[in-house]
Amino acid sequence: AQTVTQSQPEMSVQEAETVTLSCTYDTSESDYYLFWYKQPPSRQMILVIRQEAYKQQNATENRFSVNFQKAAKSFSLKISDSQLGDAAMYFCAYRSAGPEKLTFGTGTRLTIIP
Amino acid sequence: DARVTQTPRHKVTEMGQEVTMRCQPILGHNTVFWYRQTMMQGLELLAYFRNRAPLDDSGMPKDRFSAEMPDATLATLKIQPSEPRDSAVYFCASGLASGGDRRQFFGPGTRLTVL
Repeated sequence: AQTVTQSQPEMSVQEAETVTLSCTYDTSESDYYLFWYKQPPSRQMILVIRQEAYKQQNATENRFSVNFQKAAKSFSLKISDSQLGDAAMYFCAYRSAGPEKLTFGTGTRLTIIP
Repeated sequence: DARVTQTPRHKVTEMGQEVTMRCQPILGHNTVFWYRQTMMQGLELLAYFRNRAPLDDSGMPKDRFSAEMPDATLATLKIQPSEPRDSAVYFCASGLASGGDRRQFFGPGTRLTVL
């Protein structure tokens, strides 16, 4: 079974600075998908960014980018120019190419310091 | 703006009562998922459907939980009888089984409190 590990329960960053959230996963599969979800206090799960394992190029969405290291099974999220609205829980998630279910990490709570 | 809807948003009930949560997936999506979020267990999959057929319900306590899709626009999660340990936020999500970008779109969740 796949597992996802987020080793940083909490992180904080100064507004306008850059922060990186870590995620590692364990799988024997070669084809899969990785996601970062944001959960603000409203509890709504919001997709931030996704990465297909077969793509070598790291995904980017505006201020959000990933560092995908397939051999190391690492999938970190970088948030540039941090804004107050970025404060939330961030979950890393894994999805097989086959079964569509997501396996989540335990989350990282991100605090933005004004 | 298509979105997954869930009702009720909040539910407080007493131990032993039946609870039914409903989900309307995004029109055209053919996979539907039920996840539960608790402080202790985090986010875990309870069950999911593809084309209304249950594919995996291994995360669900079978003796008290049941999940169904009466039609393509409605998914239900029922707990009978409910217990205090069932208190959690229950999320429904939907997506496409093939094609597209494999995203899952989450509903706002149902916060369940069992006293």
